[in-house]
Amino acid sequence: QKEVEQDPGPLSVPEGAIVSLNCTYSNSAFQYFMWYRQYSRKGPELLMYTYSSGNKEDGRFTAQVDKSSKYISLFIRDSQPSDSATYLCAIRGSWGKLQFGAGTQVVVTP
Amino acid sequence: GAGVSQSPSNKVTEKGKDVELRCDPISGHTALYWYRQSLGQGLEFLIYFQGNSAPDKSGLPSDRFSAERTGGSVSTLTIQRTQQEDSAVYLCASSQEVGRGTAFFGQGTRLTVV
Repeated sequence: QKEVEQDPGPLSVPEGAIVSLNCTYSNSAFQYFMWYRQYSRKGPELLMYTYSSGNKEDGRFTAQVDKSSKYISLFIRDSQPSDSATYLCAIRGSWGKLQFGAGTQVVVTP
Repeated sequence: GAGVSQSPSNKVTEKGKDVELRCDPISGHTALYWYRQSLGQGLEFLIYFQGNSAPDKSGLPSDRFSAERTGGSVSTLTIQRTQQEDSAVYLCASSQEVGRGTAFFGQGTRLTVV
């Protein structure tokens, strides 16, 4: 079993819809949770970072962490075609190594 | 520098040749990570450095792969006797410290072995 599981998609939504992405993880010692966005032929770009259970909001993006269920989510409101990308969850314990999910490809159609 | 810088951005090499990939992390970041991303795949961990030491080399796929970091800054990933299966994008990231803060990525080196 992988330490971080993420559905690779693709996930296709119409412009303006809410995009819902999620990951599950197996090691309860993980403390830090991140979401990255990666456009084609580019490096991953950090979107959200949190280290506690609950919600964190930044503009159209909301990150949600449920440590009891070992489940993290990213929601994108009012999605735009420019949001079309691959979204990667990343999780880390205090020992430092980032563990990534497989990435979910999102396509927002005009 | 302002961000993580990797060079070259693209590299085409013949099977059997050695290649060196360079990563220049964000100034002041002591932790540096190397990942590999094959076409349509997620990120595969290779190695990380805290300062000049590499506590975890578990991700290096074979003894043809090695990495070093000198002066706590620039890192070089070397692949000897390249094989076609080494073709991938090699990504470098840095963070303030291992276990703290977020990691910021460079744009990657796209390696093609022909």
